[in-house]
Amino acid sequence: DQQVKQNSPSLSVQEGRISILNCDYTNSMFDYFLWYKKYPAEGPTFLISISSIKDKNEDGRFTVFLNKSAKHLSLHIVPSQPGDSAVYFCAAAPTSYGKLTFGQGTILTVHP
Amino acid sequence: EAGVAQSPRYKIIEKRQSVAFWCNPISGHATLYWYQQILGQGPKLLIQFQNNGVVDDSQLPKDRFSAERLKGVDSTLKIQPAKLEDSAVYLCASSSRGERHKGPDTQYFGPGTRLTVL
Repeated sequence: DQQVKQNSPSLSVQEGRISILNCDYTNSMFDYFLWYKKYPAEGPTFLISISSIKDKNEDGRFTVFLNKSAKHLSLHIVPSQPGDSAVYFCAAAPTSYGKLTFGQGTILTVHP
Repeated sequence: EAGVAQSPRYKIIEKRQSVAFWCNPISGHATLYWYQQILGQGPKLLIQFQNNGVVDDSQLPKDRFSAERLKGVDSTLKIQPAKLEDSAVYLCASSSRGERHKGPDTQYFGPGTRLTVL
């Protein structure tokens, strides 16, 4: 039972363009959502989060959008840079300090 | 500030053998997590410690997996005996969240131990 799904295994984008990574969830108890970024041979690092009381959170080039009615969130990276090439995981939790449930990850490749 | 340390980084064993992984969290972090990440999947929580007590071990296969966090600092995760399906990256994470802290909590991950069971 996959409660958090990232349906695109990979995404390829040109440098300078927008990258949009998508995530869907099924559990209506999830109230807090996060994105993590992972480089090869390293652990995931926290990128950005959003609480269900918001529909958008922005941090520099990264913006996360939440559509609670559709149980969908997305991460926008503008402009994309080659250093953004990594695996991106979305995660969800029932509270801001609760147990994280991760999606399968999306491999982002940004071409120079 | 030093990050989460894990060792070994890589381990290859035969099925039915035993293996142990070690984690040293960020200094002062009360909460420690062990995750299993199978290739092509996201990390799955195995066990969560608050200081040296277990908060959640609902997804830990207790017939073969065990974990401890002595003195509320370092932790070890053991598999005995290992099966082929245990091949995965084992990630340790820590956070500063204490029992009375209810705000947003950021988990910091170590580099992981890649286990291959042959």
